[in-house]
Amino acid sequence: DTEVTQTPKHLVMGMTNKKSLKCEQHMGHRAMYWYKQKAKKPPELMFVYSYEKLSINESVPSRFSPECPNSSLLNLHLHALQPEDSALYLCASSQESLGGIAAFFGQGTRLTVV
Amino acid sequence: QKEVEQDPGPLSVPEGAIVSLNCTYSNSAFQYFMWYRQYSRKGPELLMYTYSSGNKEDGRFTAQVDKSSKYISLFIRDSQPSDSATYLCAMGGSGGYNKLIFGAGTRLAVHP
Repeated sequence: DTEVTQTPKHLVMGMTNKKSLKCEQHMGHRAMYWYKQKAKKPPELMFVYSYEKLSINESVPSRFSPECPNSSLLNLHLHALQPEDSALYLCASSQESLGGIAAFFGQGTRLTVV
Repeated sequence: QKEVEQDPGPLSVPEGAIVSLNCTYSNSAFQYFMWYRQYSRKGPELLMYTYSSGNKEDGRFTAQVDKSSKYISLFIRDSQPSDSATYLCAMGGSGGYNKLIFGAGTRLAVHP
């Protein structure tokens, strides 16, 4: 099973809403990531979790709050987002020994902020 | 200068053609080189993963790394319309956590 599963696939939220994105993998990977991708641009790293601990935060605004409840799950909590936060949010995982290398990506959550 | 340069295309080829996709980079510390395929509105799919220099083949796909020239390539033989997608190169260093550095992605269209 080389799959990273993300839910929901699509999300529309207002600027005052609170919502969460979910990600799950069962490959035994201990490194998990959140990326943001705008149209026609490459993915941009947001957060890295290593062994369920946040190891890298790429200066992401506090309206994005990640959480890693266990080694298979990764959440991204959203609050008071702006329209410019509309993007494809990608979860990825990899073997911890390889760091960010050879990461497997999920299909993404397409987020629209209205 | 960007760390990784990749021509965004678009590249349009007829079915059956050999496609060559390329990236150049400036950071000699990069040791791992990857190619991802991304269909419209989907997540990137890891196609090939190479450590250091050399060639790697998987079916119709061949990845080449030339560290002396800081140049990597992906060749697609017998291209199919289903290969139409954006191809992203990505690379990283060695040891510890490595932030993937992506190229801009090349849009490929294979027409019947």
